[in-house]
Amino acid sequence: SAVISQKPSRDICQRGTSLTIQCQVDSQVTMMFWYRQQPGQSLTLIATANQGSEATYESGFVIDKFPISRPNLTFSTLTVSNMSPEDSSIYLCSVEGVERRSYNEQFFGPGTRLTVL
Amino acid sequence: GESVGLHLPTLSVQEGDNSIINCAYSNSASDYFIWYKQESGKGPQFIIDIRSNMDKRQGQRVTVLLNKTVKHLSLQIAATQPGDSAVYFCAETTPNDYKLSFGAGTTVTVRA
Repeated sequence: SAVISQKPSRDICQRGTSLTIQCQVDSQVTMMFWYRQQPGQSLTLIATANQGSEATYESGFVIDKFPISRPNLTFSTLTVSNMSPEDSSIYLCSVEGVERRSYNEQFFGPGTRLTVL
Repeated sequence: GESVGLHLPTLSVQEGDNSIINCAYSNSASDYFIWYKQESGKGPQFIIDIRSNMDKRQGQRVTVLLNKTVKHLSLQIAATQPGDSAVYFCAETTPNDYKLSFGAGTTVTVRA
């Protein structure tokens, strides 16, 4: 499995500000995913980020609120813009299984715990 | 929409006993399922997966059972240890779709 790191691991932010979360993987992967996990909840997919193309957003998530960059095959960023307390969550990136199995497995980073005051 | 769900939100288990975590799914087109373990403060960790052409798969101390007739998935943990305390999620995907749909999660607490 890939080794995935995220920065920052946690942050406390003021409402109205923006935070950019970085995700770094130790091998080249085509597909990277960003999830949100609200307190005590399951994971919800925000968007899929492929290198060289615009991110694909899920219903309920828009690019203006969650802009994503994917400059190369090992790195991606997610920005949480104009934050409000409702954005307080754990944000997780994941990557496809690098063994390229027939079915998609995903491996997750440690997450970024965001608190918005 | 269709979703993956769990029967029990919490499970308390005596150390050394076996644990069974259940998951119901409603999308009959799902053909691949994964169990994840998430410890406090960490990201989900891949435990075991199963394809729809199988009904059982075993790993180290874990077994996943798939019953496609009733759309039911379970994770069995043998000889549960304190380190097994975590939230367990099942996830599903459909053919040619890289997106995973996650269930609500079951919190497993191991009693010493």
